[in-house]
Order: sequence, then structure tokens, then C-alpha cells
Amino acid sequence: DAMVIQNPRYQVTQFGKPVTLSCSQTLNHNVMYWYQQKSSQAPKLLFHYYDKDFNNEADTPDNFQSRRPNTSFCFLDIRSPGLGDAAMYLCATSRVERDPPYNEQFFGPGTRLTVL
Amino acid sequence: AQRVTQPEKLLSVFKGAPVELKCNYSYSGSPELFWYVQYSRQRLQLLLRHISRESIKGFTADLNKGETSFHLKKPFAQEEDSAMYYCALRGGSNYKLTFGKGTLLTVNP
Repeated sequence: DAMVIQNPRYQVTQFGKPVTLSCSQTLNHNVMYWYQQKSSQAPKLLFHYYDKDFNNEADTPDNFQSRRPNTSFCFLDIRSPGLGDAAMYLCATSRVERDPPYNEQFFGPGTRLTVL
Repeated sequence: AQRVTQPEKLLSVFKGAPVELKCNYSYSGSPELFWYVQYSRQRLQLLLRHISRESIKGFTADLNKGETSFHLKKPFAQEEDSAMYYCALRGGSNYKLTFGKGTLLTVNP
């Protein structure tokens, strides 16, 4: 039973054409994360939602945006994809408690984005 | 700033041999360290965390604050251990993770 679901698994878009990736979860976790992972590199956190609060990483390009309409769903919008945005995009969730402040992150299978 | 370094991109061992995947970190405070694993065609998942001090699938990892290391060890590797392994760090009250670049472990028959 999938707990973190990402759709689609593979996405092909054209240079400059907006694209949206989606993530849903059945875990009722309060935090949802989006990571970008390029070949042979570490997953890089783009941003996350702590409940409804959006937290952007300082080096995340403006081209990337996110929406979280409810607890279960989170979207990654790439406004004008460039060739350099081709990557695997991972969604993850966790239940963050105050003490201890961290709990395990659960990952989705990822969406591989190709930009033509 | 927090940083995680996995010096080996690839590691190949024979079945039954000991295996050690290296992880070094940089963080000024008290970190929490994790190992995540990704088997072929599967999602990234938590393998173990240092505060649990437990052995998972025969793997152990000890946090060495003096050497700022958190190496993952298994005395006898199995073919099913072949996977991508990522070391990750959480610093202080921050609940975000910083990942290393990963080490691809191949266990040959």
C-alpha cells in the first residue's frame, strides 16, 4: 500500500512549457518536502510545507513554486523549465513533533522530468 | 553550515565479505545522523539512525564525534544488500535533512 504517491512517474515537457508534478500522501503527516536529484548527486531540498506554512530554501530558483491545497496533496510547479531542470523530483513526508523535533521521512518513488 | 561527505561513489565487495560505507559530516553542534537506502526500482527509505543504536539487516553505524564520522558496517555482505546508500544529517532543532551524494554498493556472488 503506497503511502507517498507521485504522479506522473515520468514527465516529458518542452523547454519553457510549464509543468506540474503532484504528490499525495495517506500518512496524515504535517510536513511535505520536495527534493531535486540530479544524476550522481545528493537529493537537494527545494522547499517544504510545515502544515500550511511554506518554507523556501535560499538557493531554490524562482522558477520553482509549490502549492499545498490540503494535508494530503502537494504540487511542484516549474514555470518555465530549462534544460538544467531535468532531474528526478522526490516528494517526502514526515510527522514532525516538537520533542523530539524530527521523525523519519517517507519518500515517494519520484518523478523523472525530461526537458526537450 | 552542515555538510555530508560520502567519499566513495562506488563500492564493490564479494558476498560474505565485510563492508564499510564511509560517511563524514561537518556540523558545529550535535547532529543526528541517518542512513537511507534505495534498492533497485524502489523508493528511498530509512535504514537506521544513530540514536536508535540498533542493527538493521545486519548493518550497524556508530557516531564518532571526534572523527565526525558515521560509517555504515556489516560483517558479512549479502547480494540483497546491493543498493544505493545515502548518509544524512539533521542539525539541532532543524528537522530538515542534508544528504550525501550516495555510495552504490554492489555485492558480487
